[in-house]
Amino acid sequence: EVQLVESGGGLVQPGGSLRLSCAASGFTFDDYAIHWVRQTPGKGLEWVAGISWNGDSRGYADSMRGRFTISRDNAKNSLYLQMNSLRVEDTAVYYCAKVPSPYCSGTNCFGVFFDFWGQGTLVTVSS
Amino acid sequence: VLTQSPGTLSLSPGERATLSCRASESVYINFLAWYQQKPGQAPRLLIYGASSRASGIPDRFSGSGSGTDFTLTITRLEPEDFALYYCHQYGNSPQTFGQGTRVEIK
Repeated sequence: EVQLVESGGGLVQPGGSLRLSCAASGFTFDDYAIHWVRQTPGKGLEWVAGISWNGDSRGYADSMRGRFTISRDNAKNSLYLQMNSLRVEDTAVYYCAKVPSPYCSGTNCFGVFFDFWGQGTLVTVSS
Repeated sequence: VLTQSPGTLSLSPGERATLSCRASESVYINFLAWYQQKPGQAPRLLIYGASSRASGIPDRFSGSGSGTDFTLTITRLEPEDFALYYCHQYGNSPQTFGQGTRVEIK
């Protein structure tokens, strides 16, 4: 059974940093690209970032590029999202989501749907 | 931009649900997916490629459409089908999601 378990969320002040993690099991982690998607009551679901099976190709949403960094450790079956210069509007539930492809196409990693999602971790940016 | 309609659909178990998703530009190769989300849960993939059912999804769920207009149909609503539904286009950059349609019990 595919399982994706996010952690690392919490309360952070504007301008602060946070590192999210996603622990994967139930599938061969390094066979697939994997992404972060966030959800807010106001904007709904929003794609954040994606990374190819070997980490060589990465993509970011325009509003996160330069502030967020996606990475993975295939030896640990883990995905990460380093978030810097956080803004109030980054407040959201962050999901890791697997795709049925090893690749990340283009600067926005589009072209593939999300076949499994984690339960999410809440990030609150507030003073 | 993906626009879903209606915002809320009030129906009874056993009825047919028809959800619409309209794109502001043609979706490349009909790369459109539908997800179901229940309170406190992660989204679950229902349909990809506009009309292909994901593994384990009951055949009362079907997707159709092409270009800019897509539809998710639930032929006979079961109690567990009352939830939020999102469309997602992954054929054009940047990939985007609709704002959701809530299917509620009438």
